[in-house]
Amino acid sequence: NAGVTQTPKFQVLKTGQSMTLQCAQDMNHNSMYWYRQDPGMGLRLIYYSASEGTTDKGEVPNGYNVSRLNKREFSLRLESAAPSQTSVYFCASRSGTSGKDEQYFGPGTRLTVT
Amino acid sequence: GEDVEQSLFLSVREGDSSVINCTYTDSSSTYLYWYKQEPGAGLQLLTYIFSNMDMKQDQRLTVLLNKKDKHLSLRIADTQTGDSAIYFCAESTGGFKTIFGAGTRLFVKA
Repeated sequence: NAGVTQTPKFQVLKTGQSMTLQCAQDMNHNSMYWYRQDPGMGLRLIYYSASEGTTDKGEVPNGYNVSRLNKREFSLRLESAAPSQTSVYFCASRSGTSGKDEQYFGPGTRLTVT
Repeated sequence: GEDVEQSLFLSVREGDSSVINCTYTDSSSTYLYWYKQEPGAGLQLLTYIFSNMDMKQDQRLTVLLNKKDKHLSLRIADTQTGDSAIYFCAESTGGFKTIFGAGTRLFVKA
C-alpha cells in the first residue's frame, strides 16, 4: 500500500499560470480532502469529496477547482495562480465520517507563486 | 467560529516529559486529536480522545481533556530526539470538517 500519493512534490509558478495538483489513494477510501498549510496557521480545508462524483467547498475555496476523477483520484486545479496561493498543499483521505475514522495524509506539494 | 489554539514552540531535554497544550472553542466537539508532522512529511494521527473521556494513555503518550475549560494536552514521557516534530491539535464534531491548530514545534535537546 502506497497510502496517499501526491505529485508534484515541489512547483514554482509565475503569477497567472495554471497547474493541477494530483492526489491518489489506494485504500479504497470514500472521502478525500485538499488542505493548505501556511506558517502560523493550522491546516485549512479547501475542498472535499464525500464520495466519487461529489465535491464540496471547504473553508478557503476561492481560486481553486477540484475534480474527483474516480474513487482513487482527487485533483486540485489553480486556474490563475496568485502569490497568496504560495503554500504547502496536502491531500488526505478517510474511509468514513466518524470521528474515529483516521485521515491519512499525503506528503504534500510545496507551491511557490512568484 | 470554531478555533483551535496552541503555543508555537516547546523545547525540552532528552529524557524529560513534554507537555503540549491546546484550547478549542467549539463546545460541541466530539473528537479531539493529536497529529504529528515530521519534516517533509504529511500529518500522521498519533491519538484521539472522545469528548466523554477525561484521559487516554497510549504507551508514552497521555492525553488529558478538560471539557469544562475546553483544554486538551498531550504529554510525552521520556522524550526522545525522534519526537522532534510539529504536533497539531484538532477537533471535530463528526462529519467532514476537522479544525486544526497552527501546530507546536517540539525541539528535543540531546
